[in-house]
Amino acid sequence: AQSVAQPEDQVNVAEGNPLTVKCTYSVSGNPYLFWYVQYPNRGLQFLLKYITGDNLVKGSYGFEAEFNKSQTSFHLKKPSALVSDSALYFCAVRDLSGTYKYIFGTGTRLKVLA
Amino acid sequence: EAGVAQSPRYKIIEKRQSVAFWCNPISGHATLYWYQQILGQGPKLLIQFQNNGVVDDSQLPKDRFSAERLKGVDSTLKIQPAKLEDSAVYLCASSLSWGNTGELFFGEGSRLTVL
Repeated sequence: AQSVAQPEDQVNVAEGNPLTVKCTYSVSGNPYLFWYVQYPNRGLQFLLKYITGDNLVKGSYGFEAEFNKSQTSFHLKKPSALVSDSALYFCAVRDLSGTYKYIFGTGTRLKVLA
Repeated sequence: EAGVAQSPRYKIIEKRQSVAFWCNPISGHATLYWYQQILGQGPKLLIQFQNNGVVDDSQLPKDRFSAERLKGVDSTLKIQPAKLEDSAVYLCASSLSWGNTGELFFGEGSRLTVL
């Protein structure tokens, strides 16, 4: 079965420092991977996706993610964190084995400290 | 381009009462999803429609939850009777089609509190 894991419930980082939010996945076949962000009392917003090609994917708001097939990881990164980046981040994988549903991780809360 | 619309944004009911949530996806999006997000957890798929047909409802508690998308556009999710553990945010999302590689577009969610 397809799944994703986000090992950290919360990540704290100082403003201006680089940030990393971790995600590992388990799929059969090639993975379709996504990152979403959720601000308080809002729906999820798409940040970026990996389908194929370059392992470094660039997305919205200066975020990028690195796909690593050997480590089955898809970590979200940003070179310089902003206080406004504080939110809940979800990694997701697309299940290509049947119904093409999206399976979400449990989320990582990012707090950027001024 | 208008986004995914959901209503109501907030609903408080007593246990054993019923509630209905409405979703209107982005125009032209064939696939519609209902997710349940319990506080502190990731979204869990309840049901997935392709046009007006059900693709996946394996995690829908069918004894109390029902959903329909009669004309392949907007959709209604109903809970009857509600239980305390149904307290959650119900997220509607849409995408262009079932098998494409695109992302999901989410509505703002409907927050249900069951007392």
